Amino acid sequence: NAGVTQTPKFRILKIGQSMTLQCAQDMNHNYMYWYRQDPGMGLKLIYYSVGAGITDKGEVPNGYNVSRSTTEDFPLRLELAAPSQTSVYFCASSPDREQGYTFGSGTRLTVV
Amino acid sequence: AQTVTQSQPEMSVQEAETVTLSCTYDTSENNYYLFWYKQPPSRQMILVIRQEAYKQQNATENRFSVNFQKAAKSFSLKISDSQLGDTAMYFCAFEYGGATNKLIFGTGTLLAVQP
Repeated sequence: NAGVTQTPKFRILKIGQSMTLQCAQDMNHNYMYWYRQDPGMGLKLIYYSVGAGITDKGEVPNGYNVSRSTTEDFPLRLELAAPSQTSVYFCASSPDREQGYTFGSGTRLTVV
Repeated sequence: AQTVTQSQPEMSVQEAETVTLSCTYDTSENNYYLFWYKQPPSRQMILVIRQEAYKQQNATENRFSVNFQKAAKSFSLKISDSQLGDTAMYFCAFEYGGATNKLIFGTGTLLAVQP
């Protein structure tokens, strides 16, 4: 049982480049989330999804986009990368309110 | 707006001792969930303990327990018999999204367990 799988683990992007952070879960969870973690700031919600075909913005969505075509996959797209997007990105999934989240291992992204 | 505050950026404890990490939150909701997550140097986020607001009994998971004071909106984490492997960043989180199950996180407390 793999849980939540994020790829890649590390990436360096140049300003203006684009990339997709992959996230897949094998637990049949309806809820999926993308957070970014900056030093001293905790985790901030970027986008979330309550099921296949349904996505919505979180607290810090600017510069990002998502899709949810299947229950398993929830990729995060960065268009025109900026230094402000240097961060650690976490994908998470959840079956319901009570269980909390299962997190992926994170992606450390540096934009130079 | 919902907020979560962890007022202790860093703490230190001797091995085998007990330590308490503080967390307060602000909400107008009546039914919600609270969580503590641990993030060791490996970066992996690990669920430590959860508490439902409607349950008066404080949650306990082995050496980890909470002191949940609903009226005071306080949710502290007590770690007993601290071990070196408890060294990590600890995040308090509040489930505020209802049907969307969204979590808001505090800024974290870095706990160092000293040998």
